[in-house]
Amino acid sequence: DVKVTQSSRYLVKRTGEKVFLECVQDMDHENMFWYRQDPGLGLRLIYFSYDVKMKEKGDIPEGYSVSREKKERFSLILESASTNQTSMYLCASRSRVRSPLHFGNGTRLTVT
Amino acid sequence: KNQVEQSPQSLIILEGKNCTLQCNYTVSPFSNLRWYKQDTGRGPVSLTIMTFSENTKSNGRYTATLDADTKQSSLHITASQLSDSASYICVVSAGNNAGNMLTFGGGTRLMVKP
Repeated sequence: DVKVTQSSRYLVKRTGEKVFLECVQDMDHENMFWYRQDPGLGLRLIYFSYDVKMKEKGDIPEGYSVSREKKERFSLILESASTNQTSMYLCASRSRVRSPLHFGNGTRLTVT
Repeated sequence: KNQVEQSPQSLIILEGKNCTLQCNYTVSPFSNLRWYKQDTGRGPVSLTIMTFSENTKSNGRYTATLDADTKQSSLHITASQLSDSASYICVVSAGNNAGNMLTFGGGTRLMVKP
């Protein structure tokens, strides 16, 4: 079974802090994704990566950056956290275009 | 603009009863449609995929249908169990590029009561 592991289940950060969310997958998937999930808005794509060192903006990239130095690891960075970035963050990976997304269990981030 | 609308937003049913969740989409060009189940505190898990040529597909007590003409899909749950309590998310894929054009519905939150 594919395993996607997110480093933290819960995080509480202060406004202006730099925040790192880490995601690791163990199935050698090329494609990795970061989403945020908010009530009433569903999942929204922040960034995705289809290869090492490659990244593409999703629908809501503002305020975020990503890093993919190794195939199995995809990091989401909040350069200066703001309260409107309080949300559930979900990482996902998949092997091919028509394969299902495999999600981690999410990181609930609270910015105060 | 690609959109996926799900209804109802939430649903409460008694254990053992059946229910049907709806997904309407305006995604072009259509590639496939997936239903995901998301348990509380967990990430979504794929239940089934529907492609253009498929009308019906079953996965245990879950049956998905697709009407590509009306751009509607449904997920029918038979003989519901308490473990079916979850959010169900419809995701439609557009087939015009590398395939990262996924449009997510807002989900239906299902609660099954004993």
